[in-house]
Amino acid sequence: DAKTTQPTSMDCAEGRAANLPCNHSTISGNEYVYWYRQIHSQGPQYIIHGLKNNETNEMASLIITEDRKSSTLILPHATLRDTAVYYCIVPSGSARQLTFGSGTQLTVLP
Amino acid sequence: EPEVTQTPSHQVTQMGQEVILRCVPISNHLYFYWYRQILGQKVEFLVSFYNNEISEKSEIFDDQFSVERPDGSNFTLKIRSTKLEDSAMYFCASRETGGFLIYEKLFFGSGTQLSVL
Repeated sequence: DAKTTQPTSMDCAEGRAANLPCNHSTISGNEYVYWYRQIHSQGPQYIIHGLKNNETNEMASLIITEDRKSSTLILPHATLRDTAVYYCIVPSGSARQLTFGSGTQLTVLP
Repeated sequence: EPEVTQTPSHQVTQMGQEVILRCVPISNHLYFYWYRQILGQKVEFLVSFYNNEISEKSEIFDDQFSVERPDGSNFTLKIRSTKLEDSAMYFCASRETGGFLIYEKLFFGSGTQLSVL
């Protein structure tokens, strides 16, 4: 799996956009970027994934730079329930399972 | 949205005892996983299971661990003789097909907290 680097922690004000960065400079051409989150001791929850185009779903947007060496997960209007550890994962192209790192602890403040 | 169901939510056992953790994956899913998370640590992959056999396993998944899909709906993790260091949250997960991860997402259950005394 390509190595990813994320900040250890971030804060965001409730109602504001939360922008979570991830560096994956060793990513290969066929490797996708996945984002999951884990709300306190619950099972990880899929958020979004993408290859090179920006992606949006009901939960978030994923912006991938043109060189694909980094990406940003955007939660457009963060709520207190978005407080969680957010994982950026880049499995190898042949992977059938995910490897979780330490992630970013996002705390949404009232 | 469909869910992966795990039972029990908490299990307390004595060191040396056998435990079985149970999971009901999403009904049309074909690929199943067990992960674990020791308190304060990362989520760690244990084993994956496809087509009634283990597909991959980590170094953690030694001879004390086994998995089974006994009846087409349940997926179980057995720890034969529990140790103190097996205390962790155990997560079951599933996904739709047996191919590579591309285009797919893993659905995780809410976990079983195993405490070994």
